[in-house]
Parts: sequence; C-alpha cells; structure tokens
Amino acid sequence: DIQMTQSPSSVSASVGDRVIITCRASQGISSWLAWYQQKPGKAPKLLIYAASSLQSGVPSRFSGSGSGTDFTLTISSLQPEDFATYYCQQANSFPLTFGGGTRVEIK
Amino acid sequence: QVQLQESGPGLVKPSQTLSLTCTVSGGSISSRDSYWSWIRQPPGKGLEWIGYISYSGKTYYNPSLKSRFTISADTSKNQFSLKVSSVNVADTAVYYCARSYGSGSYPDYWGQGTLVTVSS
Repeated sequence: DIQMTQSPSSVSASVGDRVIITCRASQGISSWLAWYQQKPGKAPKLLIYAASSLQSGVPSRFSGSGSGTDFTLTISSLQPEDFATYYCQQANSFPLTFGGGTRVEIK
Repeated sequence: QVQLQESGPGLVKPSQTLSLTCTVSGGSISSRDSYWSWIRQPPGKGLEWIGYISYSGKTYYNPSLKSRFTISADTSKNQFSLKVSSVNVADTAVYYCARSYGSGSYPDYWGQGTLVTVSS
C-alpha cells in the first residue's frame, strides 16, 4: 500500500492567514492526489483532485500543487468556515489511502 | 445531484455480522463509469477505504482488511451494501458510503455516515 504522510498534524492560524499543508507519498503517484475537508460530525468534502484541479463549487482560496511524492494544499486567506481537518488521499493505485489529517485550529 | 444515505444498526455484538446499506438517489448505481465505495473512520481517527463495487458489479477490497468484508449491489433498489463478518471492537467506526466517477479514484459524493459500535 502507498503510505501518505501529512504535516503538520495541527496548525493554529488566524482569519486571513495563509495556511500551507503538506502531504508526502511513500512512492511516486504522479498527480493522483486529492484533498478533503472534514468538519466535526460531517462527511469529508472533496476540495481538490488530480493534485491541482478545484472541485466545482470550492472557493478559489483553496489551491493544490505538487507531483510525484510531494504535494501541498494552500489556503490563501483563511476564513472562519475553513477551520476543519484536512486529509490528502492518493488515487494512483488501489487500495486508496489517506493521510493522517491536519487539524486547522483558531489561534 | 447524487445523494447517498447509509442505514444499519448502531450497535453490534462482537463476533456477529454487521450489515449496512447505502441508498442512492439522483443517479443510478449502474451508471457507466461510476464506482461505489465504503470508507470508515474510527472515532477520533483517520479515514480507511474498505472497497468498492463498480457500475458493472466488479468489486475490489482493501487487502489489508482481509476477507471479512463483502460489498454487493441491488440495482432494482439502487442500493449497495456492506457486510462485515466476525466483527470486533476495532470495527467500531463511522461508516461512509461514497461515489467516484471515472477511474473510481476520487470519492466526490458521500453519505452523512453512520456510527457503528461493536460492544457486548
């Protein structure tokens, strides 16, 4: 299985801050990567797929980049509704695997 | 707009079989290039992909989970199901059903999830 490692595990930030979350794959996955946002008690929501493609309806302050083994999710200006946990997921091969999550908290 | 809704028991005893159903509306589970997955999340932990059934009935399971898991579909009801045999406390989790389109790689529509607790 491909292992996905996210960092940091948590980050404290203020509204308006730029937040960057990283995800590393245990082997090359080209651009087969997605990012999800999960709020407490809710299902994950797809934000980014194919490493940098924005899912329909997702605000443009979210962006993704990277290829191979190293990827980033950037929130350009953190909004109150963005406080949540974020997961990366590799889609290069089955089984699909997820990173351990990054919790974005209010500073 | 595709919508998914999980249903099943909230409490299961150890060694019993857990059965969950996902009812799909707004789209057909037989729609070409659609893939229907089960994903679980133990309380306070991360996400684990269990497996999928494709629009054509093909299944694929997470090899790490061994052979206790079975996914099936009932196209007449537009539902797909998950059975987990010989459950143990480690199977306690929120279980989500989800849809992917295309290669099956990016679950884009998810159910709200159902919490299953394994306890005697």
